[in-house]
Amino acid sequence: EIVLTQSPGSLSLSPGDRATLSCRASQSLSSIYLTWYQQKPGQAPRLLIYGASYRATGIPDRFSGSGSGTDFTLTISRLEPEDFAVYYCQQYGSSPWTFGQGTKVEIK
Amino acid sequence: QVQLVQSGAEVKKPGASVKVSCKVSGYTLNELSMHWVRQAPGKGVEWMGGLDPEDGEIIYAQKFQGRLTMTEDASADTAYMELSGLRTEDTAVYYCGGFWSGYDGSWIDPWGQGTLVTVSS
Repeated sequence: EIVLTQSPGSLSLSPGDRATLSCRASQSLSSIYLTWYQQKPGQAPRLLIYGASYRATGIPDRFSGSGSGTDFTLTISRLEPEDFAVYYCQQYGSSPWTFGQGTKVEIK
Repeated sequence: QVQLVQSGAEVKKPGASVKVSCKVSGYTLNELSMHWVRQAPGKGVEWMGGLDPEDGEIIYAQKFQGRLTMTEDASADTAYMELSGLRTEDTAVYYCGGFWSGYDGSWIDPWGQGTLVTVSS
């Protein structure tokens, strides 16, 4: 089973700040199998980034994804009030299709 | 626009079974590969299983093997997730989601609104 470890567990930032979220895989993963989701309280996860770096339809360009192998990053260039949420990475390279434990981005 | 609408909240006793439905609109079920994910209160999300579009087989996470059954009624464009032998730790919100896979990536989108299953004696 591929374990995804997200860091930090939480991030306390202000609107306008840059957020950098990490997702590390326990074994090498093709980048096409790494996806990022955003989740707000009481809502289902929302697709942000697929294939490690492709923004989903309707996702603002302040969200970007990068990485390869075992290290992947989600960057939010300038935080907007609506971006404060929990972010999960997920891998589809090997069953079970595991999620990371999440990074909570909170308002400072 | 594809929408997934799930059945309502359930309360079950330990040892019972629960069956959650997920109705597709805007598409036909045959055009989707349905997957299920759950989230215990205050916890992260956990993939449970779904249809592998590569071979049309349903794949289950090992931890649910023997307790989890996913079925579909194509005539009703509805997918079902049944979990048996419920334990208190199965208390969670259960989500269905449409899985897509292409040359540039794989993802689950859209998602159902979630169904809270509470297991309590």
